[in-house]
Amino acid sequence: DIVMTQSPDSLAVSLGERATINCKSSQSVLYRSNSKNYLAWYQHKPGQPPKLLIYWASTRESGVPDRFSGSGSGTDFTLTISSLQAEDVAVYYCQQYYSTPRTFGQGTKVEI
Amino acid sequence: QVQLVQSGAEVKKPGASVKVSCKASGYTFPSYDISWVRQATGQGLEWMGWMNPDSGDTGFAQKFQGRVSMTRSTSISTAYMELSSLRSEDTAVYYCARGRTAYSGSDYAILGYWGQGTLVTVSS
Repeated sequence: DIVMTQSPDSLAVSLGERATINCKSSQSVLYRSNSKNYLAWYQHKPGQPPKLLIYWASTRESGVPDRFSGSGSGTDFTLTISSLQAEDVAVYYCQQYYSTPRTFGQGTKVEI
Repeated sequence: QVQLVQSGAEVKKPGASVKVSCKASGYTFPSYDISWVRQATGQGLEWMGWMNPDSGDTGFAQKFQGRVSMTRSTSISTAYMELSSLRSEDTAVYYCARGRTAYSGSDYAILGYWGQGTLVTVSS
């Protein structure tokens, strides 16, 4: 199984400041034949289902604000919130869909 | 619009089984991957398995092998997840989620749409 490890487990960021979340996979999730990284990011707020933010490591889902961006390749990935808003308080998860089981990271709680 | 509507909350005793349903609408049900994900109280998201609603093929996380089954009824566009031999650690919110695109695309395993979640409580 591919193990996904996020850091930090939690972080507190001031409104308008940058938040950076890291995700490391135990093996590469880059599929060389199509040069795509099989890595997604989700936002999860209490009482709601998770929401897809980013897929293919850096492609923003339709409707997601452009303050959210994803980067990285191979085994190391980053989700950046460029200017934190109050509505961004949530837990963020990375997930690999390179192989089954399609494992999640343990989550990173973002607070103000 | 795409909707995944799950069945209501359940309370089960240890050792029992639970079957959660996920009714799909707004798209062609057989063409999209369905995954099941759970979140135990105070824990993170845990991927349980996937099902191809067209073929019925499934794949599970090893942790659930032998205890979980994922089935479907294409006539009513509904997916089911049944978990047996329940224990207190299975108390969680269970989500179904649909692939972002159909199997004809490369995004089929990305969880683009989610059900509202079903709370399953295991308690004696």
